[in-house]
Parts: sequence; structure tokens; C-alpha cells
Amino acid sequence: GENVEQHPSTLSVQEGDSAVIKCTYSDSASNYFPWYKQELGKGPQLIIDIRSNVGEKKDQRIAVTLNKTAKHFSLHITETQPEDSAVYFCAASTIGSGGSNYKLTFGKGTLLTVNP
Amino acid sequence: DAGVIQSPRHEVTEMGQEVTLRCKPISGHDYLFWYRQTMMRGLELLIYFNNNVPIDDSGMPEDRFSAKMPNASFSTLKIQPSEPRDSAVYFCASVLRGGYTFGSGTRLTVV
Repeated sequence: GENVEQHPSTLSVQEGDSAVIKCTYSDSASNYFPWYKQELGKGPQLIIDIRSNVGEKKDQRIAVTLNKTAKHFSLHITETQPEDSAVYFCAASTIGSGGSNYKLTFGKGTLLTVNP
Repeated sequence: DAGVIQSPRHEVTEMGQEVTLRCKPISGHDYLFWYRQTMMRGLELLIYFNNNVPIDDSGMPEDRFSAKMPNASFSTLKIQPSEPRDSAVYFCASVLRGGYTFGSGTRLTVV
């Protein structure tokens, strides 16, 4: 089955700096890579996702890049703010026509702390 | 849209007792997933349903765990008997075309 490794497990940055979280996956059939943000006492919330036919996707201060050959993808947060402090999870899945099960395999998470 | 509703939010129970966790998914979503979250193991998939039918329960730790989805608007996860190692946060997620919406979770403590 799929295995997703996520690094680092903790990341501390100063407000305004950039943060980068990296993940690798094992199953070359995976084609959908979402990122989730989990705040204390809440469930994970989708912040951005990317499919394997795209190399990069941006949404304001966050971006995700995907390298299918190397089987790794990364989350980039620019101009970090204290409210970005949370646990971030990457995940991988195989979705599309025929046989999709939408089963996500999650990384272990990164605790991001943005210091004012 | 009230989102995914889980109850209770917190549950403290004694070892050996039966525990039932509940989930109300978003109307129209055709998949429902149950996950368990611990510091050591992260988010683990326990079981998932498609159109109320259990598809894969290989993540259920042992026979003490069971899950049902009697209709499209309700699912339960039951642990009987509960053990201290079952202490975790349990999430259900309602899914439509691959898009996940998680509930706020049930924090279970077994003493």
C-alpha cells in the first residue's frame, strides 16, 4: 500500500518568513495530493490540493509543488502569520474513473509555529 | 450546511465499558471514512463506506471495534469492551468526489 513520509515534524519560523514542508510517497499510481491544516480541537481542513497532471498550484500565500518522477511534493507558505500556526498534514490518494476509492494515506504531520 | 457532526465531543469511560461514537455526514456525500488520531501513529484509517456499504475495514484494530452505517445520514463506531490503548481522537470524514470534510472529532479517554 501507499506510504507517505513527511518532514520536518516540527517547524518554527518568524512572522513574515517562509515555511516549507516536504512529503514523499511510494505508490506511483497516486495522483491526488491534498494538504490539510489542523487547528487545536478541530478536524483537519483542506487548504490546497494538486493532481498529478500539474506541477505547481498557488492560492494566495500558499503553494504546492509536485515532482512525479521523484515522488515528492511540498507545501510552501510565504509571509507567514501567527494564525498559520497549526499542524499540517500531507496526503496521497488515487482518484479518477474506475476503481477510485478516495482512500487517503496521511503523513505524520508537521507542527508549524509562527513566532510574532 | 452544518458540516459533519460528530457526537459526543468528549467521552471518558472506564476500561471494559462499551463506547459508541456517532457521525452525521453531509447530505449527498457518498463516502464516509472513520479515522483515529494519536500522537504516536498519526491519522489511521479504520474503515470506510461507499453508499452505506462497508468497503474496507482492514484498519479496524481488532474485533472489539465495529462500525455501521444504517442509512446515508448516520454512522456509528462502537468499541466493546474498551481498553486504555483505545484512547485517541476519532474523526469521521464525509467525502464527495474525493473532497474530504472532517468532523470536529470525538476525544475518547479510557481509564
